Amino acid sequence: EDQVTQSPEALRLQEGESSSLNCSYTVSGLRGLFWYRQDPGKGPEFLFTLYSAGEEKEKERLKATLTKKESFLHITAPKPEDSATYLCAVQAAAAGNMLTFGGGTRLMVKP
Amino acid sequence: NAGVMQNPRHLVRRRGQEARLRCSPMKGHSHVYWYRQLPEEGLKFMVYLQKENIIDESGMPKERFSAEFPKEGPSILRIQQVVRGDSAAYFCASSPRWENTEAFFGQGTRLTVV
Repeated sequence: EDQVTQSPEALRLQEGESSSLNCSYTVSGLRGLFWYRQDPGKGPEFLFTLYSAGEEKEKERLKATLTKKESFLHITAPKPEDSATYLCAVQAAAAGNMLTFGGGTRLMVKP
Repeated sequence: NAGVMQNPRHLVRRRGQEARLRCSPMKGHSHVYWYRQLPEEGLKFMVYLQKENIIDESGMPKERFSAEFPKEGPSILRIQQVVRGDSAAYFCASSPRWENTEAFFGQGTRLTVV
């Protein structure tokens, strides 16, 4: 069974304090690993898709990396507006198009 | 280019009533996915549809739940005889192709069963 575990569950940072969020996964044949941002009361907002180990993608203060067992979302010099829940999901080659989500990391950035 | 549109945003139903949730995919997208987010839990896949076809309903409860995506009009997730445990946020996502490299989500429908 495909599994996704995100850590930590919650993370408090001061503005400007860089950190990383972890997403560990077990999947039978990874087709893609997805990162989303979700604000309270809103739907998930697509950030990145990573396809193979060693791949990296960046968007503003966010950088996502992928290994064979985990993915990291690095946040450089975060701002209060980066506060949100970050979701990781995997798509298995044998599972059609469904995404298996982790529980998310709730990030709070204080000014 | 409008995003994925879901309505209603909030829906209150009494136990035993029916709930109908609607989802209009992004323009040009013919693949629709429904997910459920229970309080304090992660998003769980329910069903994957293309126009007039259910492709994968492995995450759908066997009873009371059904989904359709007709040739014309939005995708509908229907919950019959709702119970308190059905209270959740229901999200729809769409993608333009089978590979689903970028699935875009709507704002969700928050169902409350009283």
